[in-house]
Amino acid sequence: NAGVTQTPKFQVLKTGQSMTLQCAQDMNHNSMYWYRQDPGMGLRLIYYSASEGTTDKGEVPNGYNVSRLNKREFSLRLESAAPSQTSVYFCASSIPGIYNSPLHFGNGTRLTVT
Amino acid sequence: TQLLEQSPQFLSIQEGENLTVYCNSSSVFSSLQWYRQEPGEGPVLLVTVVTGGEVKKLKRLTFQFGDARKDSSLHITAAQPGDTGLYLCAYRMEYGNKLVFGAGTILRVKS
Repeated sequence: NAGVTQTPKFQVLKTGQSMTLQCAQDMNHNSMYWYRQDPGMGLRLIYYSASEGTTDKGEVPNGYNVSRLNKREFSLRLESAAPSQTSVYFCASSIPGIYNSPLHFGNGTRLTVT
Repeated sequence: TQLLEQSPQFLSIQEGENLTVYCNSSSVFSSLQWYRQEPGEGPVLLVTVVTGGEVKKLKRLTFQFGDARKDSSLHITAAQPGDTGLYLCAYRMEYGNKLVFGAGTILRVKS
């Protein structure tokens, strides 16, 4: 059971380059999330998708775009990477409508922007 | 967005010691969740506390939700190196299915 799969695991970009982080889940969850994790700041929500075809901004959406391609896949795109976007990015999924359903996380993508 | 403050930020102890980490806020929550994150992996849910004053045990880990539902604590008895990791508390926003995390406590247990 793969759960939540993120690709790539590591990436180095130069300032101004673009890239897409991929996320797929095989648990038939409706809700999917993108978080970034920086030292001393915990996990901050970038974007959220309640279901296929819907997306919503989180706490730190600037500089990012998302696509909910289908129920399984939720991608995060950096159009013009900046050093401030150096971080570890986590994708997660959950079952909506069930109170306190847990988030299931992938193992992250470590991104460095030089 | 309500703020969750976790303390201490970092804790380094010897195997066999006991410890407590805290998750505090000035806001009242309907529930709180605790996650543990090991290096190179994503967070994994440990427990959800819902009722004020509730105590939940998970082997050597004891979780408590404050009576006023503004704070929570995690107590580990006889810590082991396998307990090493980042401990995060989180609450679910009232509207939408979004989870907000505290900054976490990094625990290192030395053998």
